[in-house]
Amino acid sequence: GDSVTQMEGPVTLSEEAFLTINCTYTATGYPSLFWYVQYPGEGLQLLLKATKADDKGSNKGFEATYRKETTSFHLEKGSVQVSDSAVYFCALSEGGTGFQKLVFGTGTRLLVSP
Amino acid sequence: EADIYQTPRYLVIGTGKKITLECSQTMGHDKMYWYQQDPGMELHLIHYSYGVNSTEKGDLSSESTVSRIRTEHFPLTLESARPSHTSQYLCASSGGVGYTFGSGTRLTVV
Repeated sequence: GDSVTQMEGPVTLSEEAFLTINCTYTATGYPSLFWYVQYPGEGLQLLLKATKADDKGSNKGFEATYRKETTSFHLEKGSVQVSDSAVYFCALSEGGTGFQKLVFGTGTRLLVSP
Repeated sequence: EADIYQTPRYLVIGTGKKITLECSQTMGHDKMYWYQQDPGMELHLIHYSYGVNSTEKGDLSSESTVSRIRTEHFPLTLESARPSHTSQYLCASSGGVGYTFGSGTRLTVV
């Protein structure tokens, strides 16, 4: 079945450093791709998404580009802040236009120090 | 402002008790989901629903049950709680591409 692989954490950075969290996927069709963020004690929030190859999703300074040739959707941010400390989940949506089921990666914890 | 609500946020309960975790959404979404999140952060789909009177078991076997009598409401019930049920439970809904999540219920069974 479809699957998502994320880099293991924690990722520890200083404030204003550049962030990359790697995500690759395996899918039989043409899934939509997502990044969700989970702050401590909270549920998941949609950070950004891309629905077709070469699309770039962006939000709050984060970006990710849907790369079909490398089956990747890496998350990047040019300058992280302490408030970005959270767990980040990469996910794909299988089911086409019918029933949508999200398949999640295992999550990557980001810790940003002042 | 949250469009999907879960109550309670935190619950500590004794072994053998029956509990119901509430989940309601105001977006009119047909599809709803329950995920169990273990301490290692991994998310496991335990139940989902296509719409009213439709419920299906997810990828992870769970002793919990769900019902979907109204579009907006998707409660999860544990008939007899055990310490192995200690976890965070996340409810979500979908009206198209992607999900909207509630804030979760952190359940501790002692």
